[in-house]
Amino acid sequence: EVQLVESGGGLVQPGGSLRLSCAASGFTFSGFWMSWLRQAPGKGLEWVANIKQDGSEKNYVDSVKGRFIISRENAKNSLHLQMNSLRAEDTAVYYCARGGAQFDPWGQGTLVTVSS
Amino acid sequence: QSALTQPASVSGSPGQSITISCTGTSSDVGGYNYVSWYQQHPGKAPKLMIFEVNNRPSGISNRFSGSKSGNTASLTISGLQAEDEADYYCNSYTSSRTVVFGGGTKLTVL
Repeated sequence: EVQLVESGGGLVQPGGSLRLSCAASGFTFSGFWMSWLRQAPGKGLEWVANIKQDGSEKNYVDSVKGRFIISRENAKNSLHLQMNSLRAEDTAVYYCARGGAQFDPWGQGTLVTVSS
Repeated sequence: QSALTQPASVSGSPGQSITISCTGTSSDVGGYNYVSWYQQHPGKAPKLMIFEVNNRPSGISNRFSGSKSGNTASLTISGLQAEDEADYYCNSYTSSRTVVFGGGTKLTVL
């Protein structure tokens, strides 16, 4: 069974940092683009970033460029999102998903709250 | 990276068909066949229902179908069932090598 499990969410002050991780199982992780997406409370879905199979290409939504870094460790079947200079508007449930532009499946999500 | 345009809400009675539209530009929906649709029930993660405009993943009912004309994609659900009540989102690949979502449509089964 394909499974994605996010971790690392929590409460952080504005300007702070947080590192999210996603553990993948049930498929050949190194063979797929992977993505992070988010959903602010009561709002719609937003794509955040994606990364190519070998990590050689990374793309970001404009609002996180220069602040967030997506990375992967194929040997550990893991996806990461380093989030720096966090803002209140980054508050959301963050999902990892298999795929670069079409996403299946999604993890259960991890909540990031940016507040003082 | 402007969001795709979806109606905020649609509704239908059990057994009826409904269609949700998703309008973008020639730089996203109109330029690529990488349009997909997701169903999200409250408190749950989204679920892929349609990929590459009109393809259903394994296990998705054939009551769900997708299409595209110009810069507008559509999701049609036939034979509406109570369990179809959920939020639906479209998304598309873009010419900037990014991904954009629609604002979401709340489907109510009357």
